Amino acid sequence: DIVMTQSPDSLAVSLGERATINCKSSQSVLDSSINKNYLTWWQQKPGQPPKMLIYWASLRESGVPDRFSGSGSGTDFTLTISSLQAEDVAVYYCQQYYSTPQTFGQGTRLEIK
Amino acid sequence: EVQVVESGGGLVQPGRSLRLSCTASGFSFGDYAMSWFRQAPGKGLEWVGFITSPADGGTIEYAASVKGRFTISRDGSYSIAYLQMSSLKMEDTALYYCTRGHHLVGPWGQGTRVTVSS
Repeated sequence: DIVMTQSPDSLAVSLGERATINCKSSQSVLDSSINKNYLTWWQQKPGQPPKMLIYWASLRESGVPDRFSGSGSGTDFTLTISSLQAEDVAVYYCQQYYSTPQTFGQGTRLEIK
Repeated sequence: EVQVVESGGGLVQPGRSLRLSCTASGFSFGDYAMSWFRQAPGKGLEWVGFITSPADGGTIEYAASVKGRFTISRDGSYSIAYLQMSSLKMEDTALYYCTRGHHLVGPWGQGTRVTVSS
């Protein structure tokens, strides 16, 4: 199984500041034949199901504010929120769908400082 | 609007069975795989399994933690995916979600809660 490890486990950032969450996979999730990384970022707010933010590691889902961006390739990935808003308080998960079983990171709790 | 709605959760004793349903709307159900995930109280997300579309062979895969106890099926006539859970354990207590797809997945329903307790 591919193990996904996020860092940090929790993060407190001031409003308007940048938030960065890292995700590392135990093996590459890059399909070099199509140059795509099988990596998704999810946002989960209390009492709600997960919401997709980023897929293929760097493509923003429709309707997601452009302050959210994803980067990285192979085994190292980053979710960046360029200017934190109050509504961004949530738990964020990375997920690989390169191989079965799909696996998630343990989650990063983002709060306002 | 693409939508999935889970139902069938509840309180069940260890060792017993329960069947969850996932009713889909807003898309051509037969063209898509359907997946199940779960989230134990206060914990992270866990993939449970998926069933591909009939055109893709109806392939079914399960997480090791549920293999041999859970069965995923689908009924295209009613646009419903099922998760039949048997020999339930306390560690199966979770909010169960279904989603469209099996690589890129979404949207997620609100989930149905399963509590395994004596």
